[in-house]
Amino acid sequence: QSALTQPASVSGSPGQSITISCTAAGSDAGYYQYFSWYQQFPGKAPKLIIYDGSRRPSGVSNRFSGSKSGYTASLTISGLQAEDEGLYFCSSYTTFSTVFGGGTTVTVL
Amino acid sequence: QVQLVESGGGMVPPGRSLRLSCAASGFDFSSYGMNWVRQVPGKGLEWVATIWNDGNVQHHADSVKGRFTIARDNSKTTLYLEMNSLRVEDTAVYFCAKISSPRLGYVDNWGQGTLVTVSS
Repeated sequence: QSALTQPASVSGSPGQSITISCTAAGSDAGYYQYFSWYQQFPGKAPKLIIYDGSRRPSGVSNRFSGSKSGYTASLTISGLQAEDEGLYFCSSYTTFSTVFGGGTTVTVL
Repeated sequence: QVQLVESGGGMVPPGRSLRLSCAASGFDFSSYGMNWVRQVPGKGLEWVATIWNDGNVQHHADSVKGRFTIARDNSKTTLYLEMNSLRVEDTAVYFCAKISSPRLGYVDNWGQGTLVTVSS
């Protein structure tokens, strides 16, 4: 069981906004201060889309945004497009380890 | 641009050893920490190990502690993962991943991965 819990799947229609949550649990939950998000397509490596909770790397669409409240980080995809369909992972780190959420499959209806 | 190219994967029987390599280019390798992360095809990501930029500190996941060892050669800009006593459950794609800072931080670049299959 991952220390970061994500919903298994989220879906939405084109143009809609969806939000994926990532909740830290367990004894280390308070140590997870900085969250990043990754997008992955089948057979490909993950790609960084959000870091430090809400920052976007150069070249990443501004339709992707991140936030954090308490022990929960969130990724919002606005103006959902067919090309957004894929797998999304959250991640955080402590002094001794890195953790990933179980992943959320985004489906565009 | 950053390039990370893994090699060394393959099929081995349980109990055997394998060494993965990751050739890095396009950035100052000695200034960044590095991770190995694995993924069973179709499943989630699992952190395996971290090594700081100078190679002096390593951390390993409990699932591989005592069997796997992460190492680096900054003169060759290469990251390694020595895997011993391999188990069926170690079967996965292994990604080499660059960390955003010398020690701790998020992964900002990934290699394409190399498949390790442990099977009799």
